[in-house]
Amino acid sequence: GQSLEQPSEVTAVEGAIVQINCTYQTSGFYGLSWYQQHDGGAPTFLSYNALDGLEETGRFSSFLSRSDSYGYLLLQELQMKDSASYFCAVRDRGAGNNRKLIWGLGTSLAVNP
Amino acid sequence: NAGVTQTPKFQVLKTGQSMTLQCAQDMNHNSMYWYRQDPGMGLRLIYYSASEGTTDKGEVPNGYNVSRLNKREFSLRLESAAPSQTSVYFCASRTGENEQYFGPGTRLTVT
Repeated sequence: GQSLEQPSEVTAVEGAIVQINCTYQTSGFYGLSWYQQHDGGAPTFLSYNALDGLEETGRFSSFLSRSDSYGYLLLQELQMKDSASYFCAVRDRGAGNNRKLIWGLGTSLAVNP
Repeated sequence: NAGVTQTPKFQVLKTGQSMTLQCAQDMNHNSMYWYRQDPGMGLRLIYYSASEGTTDKGEVPNGYNVSRLNKREFSLRLESAAPSQTSVYFCASRTGENEQYFGPGTRLTVT
């Protein structure tokens, strides 16, 4: 079956860099997405990797390696407001319908002063 | 441009009661989704609609029904609520590619 694994919790300090990993098992997929969700809020889209390599958007970067079935989200110059849950998700090519996302269980990031 | 809106924001039901959660988007998206989110369980897809007039089951459809009323609106109905349906419900819509836009959520408690 299809599944994504990510760490349940990560802790870091302000100004630091943190990497949140996502490994996946699918029969094939279109790309890897990352979403951020603050407590009590809705998920919001951060990034999407269709191809292998690094995508950079301001302080956030996302990386994909299809050969390793692995991706990560890199957050630089951490701020307190980055404390949130981060979800990876893939559009599964093998599901027979490419409109659905398969979601990881989320990583709770705590940024401390 | 309001994005994705959901009503109500909060709801308390007694076991066996029914209700409909409303969702609307003003971004002219074809695809719309209903998820539930429980602590430690991430987002689980209940139903989705790839286009007006079509709906498909997701991962956890039992106990729910949906209606894609038109391109803008996608409603979720609980015919006979159960305590196991206590959750936060999110509606989302999708652009042609990959980004899903989420509504603010409905926090439902079934007693």
